[in-house]
Amino acid sequence: NAGVMQNPRHLVRRRGQEARLRCSPMKGHSHVYWYRQLPEEGLKFMVYLQKENIIDESGMPKERFSAEFPKEGPSILRIQQVVRGDSAAYFCASSPVLDTIYFGEGSWLTVV
Amino acid sequence: QKEVEQDPGPLSVPEGAIVSLNCTYSNSAFQYFMWYRQYSRKGPELLMYTYSSGNKEDGRFTAQVDKSSKYISLFIRDSQPSDSATYLCAIFGGNQFYFGTGTSLTVIP
Repeated sequence: NAGVMQNPRHLVRRRGQEARLRCSPMKGHSHVYWYRQLPEEGLKFMVYLQKENIIDESGMPKERFSAEFPKEGPSILRIQQVVRGDSAAYFCASSPVLDTIYFGEGSWLTVV
Repeated sequence: QKEVEQDPGPLSVPEGAIVSLNCTYSNSAFQYFMWYRQYSRKGPELLMYTYSSGNKEDGRFTAQVDKSSKYISLFIRDSQPSDSATYLCAIFGGNQFYFGTGTSLTVIP
């Protein structure tokens, strides 16, 4: 049973470009969470999605950030017009029934 | 008040020591309690998961939950250098998983 798959693992973008991060949950998991982790800091909740629905986006910045989990295909976290402060590790996690979650290996975004 | 508070460490112990990692939480309605281990530049890996008060053991790891005190602990027996990592407690309530900030552990050979 494959784990949570994230790609790309490492992404470098220039300021002003777009970053698109993808996450395929574990088989049978319909709940997807995105977290951001800055160096020496904890995991910060961004958004919780189910298939075709955003359930809770209270942790997502109001501008430039968006997330989707379409009926077919991976969940996407999109960051438009990236700035240096967006440099971080972005983790996706999935859950079968909301009792525990399983993380991917993360996508490391560097904005230059 | 944060939903979950975790002793930040860092913690440095000799190989073979017993390690105790601790978190407190604020909401007595929280239901599920987890411990994750995170190596540098890797994703958090689920170590232990429990939903009731008491102890749960898995090999060298024991998770303890005291719902009356809103306190959770992870004990590592016979610690090994490979246990050197950051340990995160996590609690599920409502729609969200709340994470502690992590305790950095170094086990010295």
